[in-house]
Amino acid sequence: GENVEQHPSTLSVQEGDSAVIKCTYSDSASNYFPWYKQELGKGPQLIIDIRSNVGEKKDQRIAVTLNKTAKHFSLHITETQPEDSAVYFCAASEYNQGGKLIFGQGTELSVKP
Amino acid sequence: EAGVAQSPRYKIIEKRQSVAFWCNPISGHATLYWYQQILGQGPKLLIQFQNNGVVDDSQLPKDRFSAERLKGVDSTLKIQPAKLEDSAVYLCASSYRRAPGAEQYFGPGTRLTVT
Repeated sequence: GENVEQHPSTLSVQEGDSAVIKCTYSDSASNYFPWYKQELGKGPQLIIDIRSNVGEKKDQRIAVTLNKTAKHFSLHITETQPEDSAVYFCAASEYNQGGKLIFGQGTELSVKP
Repeated sequence: EAGVAQSPRYKIIEKRQSVAFWCNPISGHATLYWYQQILGQGPKLLIQFQNNGVVDDSQLPKDRFSAERLKGVDSTLKIQPAKLEDSAVYLCASSYRRAPGAEQYFGPGTRLTVT
């Protein structure tokens, strides 16, 4: 089955700096890679996703890149703000598993003003 | 639109007791998921429903966990008897359809503490 590894587990940046979170996956059949943001006491919320036929996707300050050959994908947040502080999870969905998501272990991002 | 609703938000029980969680998905969402999130880890899928049928319960500890989705809308997840290692946040999510790329919307979760 699919396995997703996420690094780093914690990340601290200064406001305005960039943050990068990296994930690797094991199953080459996986074809959908969402990123979720989870704030304290809340459920995960989708912030951006990418499909296996696309190498990069951007939405304002957030971008995701996918390298299918190396089986890794990354989240990039530019011009970080204190409200970006949260736990971020990457996930992978196997094509034949009907939407089943395998999550990484999470990255706790702290943006210091 | 209203989000995924879950109740209760918090529950504290002693080991060997039973507990039930309730989830009301977004209206019109055919697929419903229950995840277990242990502190410091990512969510792990326990069971997935398509309408009122189970499509994946491979990770559900069936000797103590059970779930149902009557009428293809609300769902309940039950633990009987609870163990200390069941302490976690139980998240319910729903999506419009069962397919890769169908966005899953999560509820706020139920935090269970087993003492």
